[in-house]
Amino acid sequence: GNSVTQMEGPVTLSEEAFLTINCTYTATGYPSLFWYVQYPGEGLQLLLKATKADDKGSNKGFEATYRKETTSFHLEKGSVQVSDSAVYFCALSPNAGNNRKLIWGLGTSLAVNP
Amino acid sequence: GAVVSQHPSRVICKSGTSVKIECRSLDFQATTMFWYRQFPKKSLMLMATSNEGSKATYEQGVEKDKFLINHASLTLSTLTVTSAHPEDSSFYICSARITGYGYTFGSGTRLTVV
Repeated sequence: GNSVTQMEGPVTLSEEAFLTINCTYTATGYPSLFWYVQYPGEGLQLLLKATKADDKGSNKGFEATYRKETTSFHLEKGSVQVSDSAVYFCALSPNAGNNRKLIWGLGTSLAVNP
Repeated sequence: GAVVSQHPSRVICKSGTSVKIECRSLDFQATTMFWYRQFPKKSLMLMATSNEGSKATYEQGVEKDKFLINHASLTLSTLTVTSAHPEDSSFYICSARITGYGYTFGSGTRLTVV
């Protein structure tokens, strides 16, 4: 079946540090991959996505590359800011089947200290 | 574009009463809406998938008589928590899948049952 494994948090970094949040997946076929961000007390926002192998999603300085050979979609940012403090969710969507429910990772909490 | 408006953002109700949460798609037609529940510091738990004009499909372990979902139009889906109890207190989020775009989320509803 489909599943997403995400590194456990919490992750605590100093401002301007490099961020990596690991995400690996198991899926049949060729899923689409997503990173969502949830700021404190808010709903989820799409951060970036990739729909096929070797695609790189990017937004707000964050990047993730769809690696089919390693079944990974790690999130990276070269220099984090305090405002990046949030919970980050990796998710996949099968590209076939009814309704195409999102399959979620457990979320990684990031705290960035000034 | 692709905005889902979710209301209310916060609600406090007495034990035994019912609460309705609404999600409206503002600039697109949502044929499929997903309803999630999120426990503190936990990932999202899919409760049910609703399709416009038909009965919702509930995930295993979710009481369909307690969490009533109605998707009567292409722009409105509602979740009613009936006879709410303190253990129903949670953060509820709706999401719509948009063909060619991905998923968009409501801003969430914080339900507190006292």
